[in-house]
Amino acid sequence: NAGVMQNPRHLVRRRGQEARLRCSPMKGHSHVYWYRQLPEEGLKFMVYLQKENIIDESGMPKERFSAEFPKEGPSILRIQQVVRGDSAAYFCASSPSPEKLFFGSGTQLSVL
Amino acid sequence: GIQVEQSPPDLILQEGANSTLRCNFSDSVNNLQWFHQNPWGQLINLFYIPSGTKQNGRLSATTVATERYSLLYISSSQTTDSGVYFCGTREGGTSYGKLTFGQGTILTVHP
Repeated sequence: NAGVMQNPRHLVRRRGQEARLRCSPMKGHSHVYWYRQLPEEGLKFMVYLQKENIIDESGMPKERFSAEFPKEGPSILRIQQVVRGDSAAYFCASSPSPEKLFFGSGTQLSVL
Repeated sequence: GIQVEQSPPDLILQEGANSTLRCNFSDSVNNLQWFHQNPWGQLINLFYIPSGTKQNGRLSATTVATERYSLLYISSSQTTDSGVYFCGTREGGTSYGKLTFGQGTILTVHP
């Protein structure tokens, strides 16, 4: 059973471009979470999704950020018109139950 | 929302030493997990421990939910234990909701 897969591992964008981050949860996991980690900081919750539904997006910035988890395919975190402050590591986690969370290797976004 | 505080923020050890990391939380919880983020950024789930004590090799964890804290013990530390240790918790009464994390403890183990 492969782990949580995130791609790309590294993503470089210029200011104003769009960034798309992908996350394939572990097989059988229907709960997906996205977290952001700024340098030297902890993990900040962004959004929690189940298949086709956004359950909690209380950590998402109001503008430019969106997330989806379609019936088929990976979960996508989309950042429009990126700014330098968006540079961070973005982690996806999935869960089969209320107990354990399993993280992917993260996507390091760098905005030039 | 729930507040999570970890201490100490930084810890430097010589190989072979023991250490205790602490996680305090502000409200009742039904989920407490410890994670290790290695120097390459990978986050590994160490323990799911909403209450009681668990052990896994040189690591063990104890959560006293009534007093709102959890401890992670590392015995006979090795250089591979270096990294950042996070605790994360979920407010009581919620099942699949988000985990809120502390700021982490940065552990450096010298040979």
